[in-house]
Amino acid sequence: GQQVMQIPQYQHVQEGEDFTTYCNSSTTLSNIQWYKQRPGGHPVFLIQLVKSGEVKKQKRLTFQFGEAKKNSSLHITATQTTDVGTYFCAGPAGSQGNLIFGKGTKLSVKP
Amino acid sequence: EAQVTQNPRYLITVTGKKLTVTCSQNMNHEYMSWYRQDPGLGLRQIYYSMNVEVTDKGDVPEGYKVSRKEKRNFPLILESPSPNQTSLYFCASRPGAYRGYGNTIYFGEGSWLTVV
Repeated sequence: GQQVMQIPQYQHVQEGEDFTTYCNSSTTLSNIQWYKQRPGGHPVFLIQLVKSGEVKKQKRLTFQFGEAKKNSSLHITATQTTDVGTYFCAGPAGSQGNLIFGKGTKLSVKP
Repeated sequence: EAQVTQNPRYLITVTGKKLTVTCSQNMNHEYMSWYRQDPGLGLRQIYYSMNVEVTDKGDVPEGYKVSRKEKRNFPLILESPSPNQTSLYFCASRPGAYRGYGNTIYFGEGSWLTVV
């Protein structure tokens, strides 16, 4: 079945360092979404990418959708302690558009 | 305020004792879904509902039941809970039919369930 793989599983960085998480789908995606889950919290929608090669920015966060629409990345520049959490990518599967989530990348930031 | 509300937020129960986790959304969303989150396994879909009286299995439906009698409510029922159903459960909703985009999900705050 369709799979969405995400690496790395964990990332520990010093505050101020950059961070990147990568997402790969076994199939071409019509869109890809990114969510952030703070410790003890629930996933919260960050962004959706729809177009091939699309790049979107939210302050220090840069999201990319691959040309083949099978991979995506989230890059955080100069991490801050507020960036701590787990970042999930998710792509739609099937005609109902149920989201398949990657297993997430857990980011910890050392002050 | 737009939200998805789950109850209870925390529950410790015993094997075999039926329980229901309620979920309600105030956004008039057609689509609702239940996920479970386990360490190393991420978010896995249990059941989903496209609209009232329309439900379908997700990836891990065994041991769970759902119902959708009203648009706003989507309870998750564990008829005979077992320890392997100890998990963090999320209810979620999204507006409208799937059109290939715009299907962002709104999550509830989660329900921690422990079965002993």
